[in-house]
Amino acid sequence: QKEVEQNSGPLSVPEGAIASLNCTYSDRGSQSFFWYRQYSGKSPELIMFIYSNGDKEDGRFTAQLNKASQYVSLLIRDSQPSDSATYLCAVRDYKLSFGAGTTVTVRA
Amino acid sequence: NAGVMQNPRHLVRRRGQEARLRCSPMKGHSHVYWYRQLPEEGLKFMVYLQKENIIDESGMPKERFSAEFPKEGPSILRIQQVVRGDSAAYFCASSPRDGETYEQYFGPGTRLTVT
Repeated sequence: QKEVEQNSGPLSVPEGAIASLNCTYSDRGSQSFFWYRQYSGKSPELIMFIYSNGDKEDGRFTAQLNKASQYVSLLIRDSQPSDSATYLCAVRDYKLSFGAGTTVTVRA
Repeated sequence: NAGVMQNPRHLVRRRGQEARLRCSPMKGHSHVYWYRQLPEEGLKFMVYLQKENIIDESGMPKERFSAEFPKEGPSILRIQQVVRGDSAAYFCASSPRDGETYEQYFGPGTRLTVT
């Protein structure tokens, strides 16, 4: 499987702040990148995907991809307590290779 | 419910028994993937199937584990002679087609406990 590294957590942010999550990958040929959110005891939920360099915004979430530097990031703006979860970065070559995840806690 | 369905949601087996986990993909999806999440570990790919074909089983343990996706019915992940180390959450995901740009959606998972 491809190697995917995520910045170690846990990450604690106050409510209303921006949470920034980073991910690097080893295979320069990778084309598809995904962010999943996983609440404790639940299954992964797809929140963002990005295929092209640059930024992609969806509501309070922004994914950023830089293929030259082989990193993907996820920004969560106006963080809410309901955003408290583990965020998984994944790279796909038909199967998904996941990072270990970053646990985010949003303090009310 | 148009999502990926898995059953049972919780399964308890004694050492040496067999475990059968079922997965029905989303409507219109013909590609199924199984992943395992061991306690305090990340998600790991196990096997990729299409109808009646195993495409990639490189993540499956060589012994005791098998998977199928028959022409009719759900995909089955079978674990024979379970051991305590098999205790984990097993997730199934589906996508509409092959290709790197098709998203995978996960089912609720089956949590296997081996006593």
